[in-house]
Amino acid sequence: DAGVIQSPRHEVTEMGQEVTLRCKPISGHDYLFWYRQTMMRGLELLIYFNNNVPIDDSGMPEDRFSAKMPNASFSTLKIQPSEPRDSAVYFCASRPTGNNEQFFGPGTRLTVL
Amino acid sequence: AQRVTQPEKLLSVFKGAPVELKCNYSYSGSPELFWYVQYSRQRLQLLLRHISRESIKGFTADLNKGETSFHLKKPFAQEEDSAMYYCALMDSSYKLIFGSGTRLLVRP
Repeated sequence: DAGVIQSPRHEVTEMGQEVTLRCKPISGHDYLFWYRQTMMRGLELLIYFNNNVPIDDSGMPEDRFSAKMPNASFSTLKIQPSEPRDSAVYFCASRPTGNNEQFFGPGTRLTVL
Repeated sequence: AQRVTQPEKLLSVFKGAPVELKCNYSYSGSPELFWYVQYSRQRLQLLLRHISRESIKGFTADLNKGETSFHLKKPFAQEEDSAMYYCALMDSSYKLIFGSGTRLLVRP
């Protein structure tokens, strides 16, 4: 099992552009989490899904951020339009029901110029 | 408010010395606490959780409800222990709340 897969691993874009980050959870995991990591704020939960349904999006910073999970094996986090302050490492994690251990992906390092 | 505090950004010790990474939490219910570790160029991974009461790679952590602490300890540090360590609390809705992390540097 390759674990949680994220793409791209690195993204450099210009302010105002749309950015889409992708995540494939571990097969059989029905919870999926999106986190953002910055020097200033550490690791913050943005949103999580259970069985493809968004449960808590209170961590999403503003309307420029949106997340979807169209099926059990794929999720996206979109930023439109992007701003320099969105530069961070974005992690996806998943876990199965009954096990509180979250399994993290390698992260996407986003740089917005 | 639910919060996890890791007071040290950096902890530097010599190989063979004891290590204690501090973690304090603020939570109104019965917490479930974790330590996650991120080695250089690797993904974040679970090191241990308090309900398991196990020792992983020589590390242990005891939940002290009176002091609201969950410090991570190892009697003899190894160079390969150098990494970023995050303490995390799971709330009643299964969300993980992370501390700001402590970078452990074990010098030869």
